[in-house]
Amino acid sequence: QQQVKQSPQSLIVQKGGISIINCAYENTAFDYFPWYQQFPGKGPALLIAIRPDVSEKKEGRFTISFNKSAKQFSLHIMDSQPGDSATYFCAADHGGGYNKLIFGAGTRLAVHP
Amino acid sequence: DTGVSQDPRHKITKRGQNVTFRCDPISEHNRLYWYRQTLGQGPEFLTYFQNEAQLEKSRLLSDRFSAERPKGSFSTLEIQRTEQGDSAMYLCASSFPTSGTDTQYFGPGTRLTVL
Repeated sequence: QQQVKQSPQSLIVQKGGISIINCAYENTAFDYFPWYQQFPGKGPALLIAIRPDVSEKKEGRFTISFNKSAKQFSLHIMDSQPGDSATYFCAADHGGGYNKLIFGAGTRLAVHP
Repeated sequence: DTGVSQDPRHKITKRGQNVTFRCDPISEHNRLYWYRQTLGQGPEFLTYFQNEAQLEKSRLLSDRFSAERPKGSFSTLEIQRTEQGDSAMYLCASSFPTSGTDTQYFGPGTRLTVL
């Protein structure tokens, strides 16, 4: 119940295309779902986050879609750019008054020019 | 640079040696987290401090791992009698919860290689 399952493991998209990364969880106590972006040699950086009281959140080219009944959420990157090439991690908050994040295994995105 | 800093960035050690890593959180951040990230995986939670109090350490991988935050500012993570399986990236994150949000800001990590 503690896992967050992420797919695909890797993704290749052409410049200008849409990148879609999916995550699923089991623990219904999770109430905070962030996405992190990580470049080689760097720590993860928060990209966008959502709580289960909304079904979608958009910030610039990045959108989270959240399906509470299916216990799934996804990241959409519109107009993907080569600079978006990185590893993306979904995560979920374990709850308990602080954010003990449970991370997915990551998706390595390559955007080709 | 006012982000989370970690030192050293890289550490190579021989099996059986002790190692200590340091994390300096963003100033004023009262929460500090340690995670471990192995190749091709997401970060795995290890332990958490609120100010100087270590509020959860159940995920520390064994009794060879210990962490401190003596004055509620910087933190150290020590691994005693290192094993090859300890080779990983050790990440520190800090946060200061406001208005129902608690964004964690990660440092660049310390990459440990145990020979």
